[in-house]
Amino acid sequence: GAGVSQSPRYKVAKRGQDVALRCDPISGHVSLFWYQQALGQGPEFLTYFQNEAQLDKSGLPSDRFFAERPEGSVSTLKIQRTQQEDSAVYLCASSYGLAAKNIQYFGAGTRLSVL
Amino acid sequence: EDKVVQSPLSLVVHEGDTVTLNCSYEVTNFRSLLWYKQEKKAPTFLFMLTSSGIEKKSGRLSSILDKKELFSILNITATQTGDSAVYLCAVEKTGANNLFFGTGTRLTVIP
Repeated sequence: GAGVSQSPRYKVAKRGQDVALRCDPISGHVSLFWYQQALGQGPEFLTYFQNEAQLDKSGLPSDRFFAERPEGSVSTLKIQRTQQEDSAVYLCASSYGLAAKNIQYFGAGTRLSVL
Repeated sequence: EDKVVQSPLSLVVHEGDTVTLNCSYEVTNFRSLLWYKQEKKAPTFLFMLTSSGIEKKSGRLSSILDKKELFSILNITATQTGDSAVYLCAVEKTGANNLFFGTGTRLTVIP
């Protein structure tokens, strides 16, 4: 595709609900990243995939957060039993080659509001 | 602890003004510094800087890195209302998989 595509753009969840956020990276991009951006802050790293392998999940804030990229293309970030502190914009980025060597291109994000 | 600090936090200027945004960093194993423009939600890539003293330029925007003093500046000349956005600075570390972002500078350009 022309760019990184994320869906939904907005998600409202009741506390305790599970949510799934989708990222469709730029076609052919090997690396995929998820970031969390709280209001007024810069994005913070959550997890990194190289093709289908999740090589780094050091930024996931709790075991309620789970990400997958089973075929090395589309990725899903799942948050179980959402809490109010999970409210943020979730950004996905992809890059052509391996991490730390290529420019990351971002999607428009999913704004999650947990009530 | 790694730090990326941007200043000012916010800035309001009139169309036609020139602005300078600052980014200082303290990280181990520095590899590169990147600038992004964030309108609405998607950060858009502007520059990647890896070498000191070499200015990168794109239209009215330019940026330079000082690896000795550990900072970068982003200059925007003849600002336009379309330049209104949050400008994010991020640092890439050797051996790390992610970017470390500052909190951003919110630029507002008024007609």
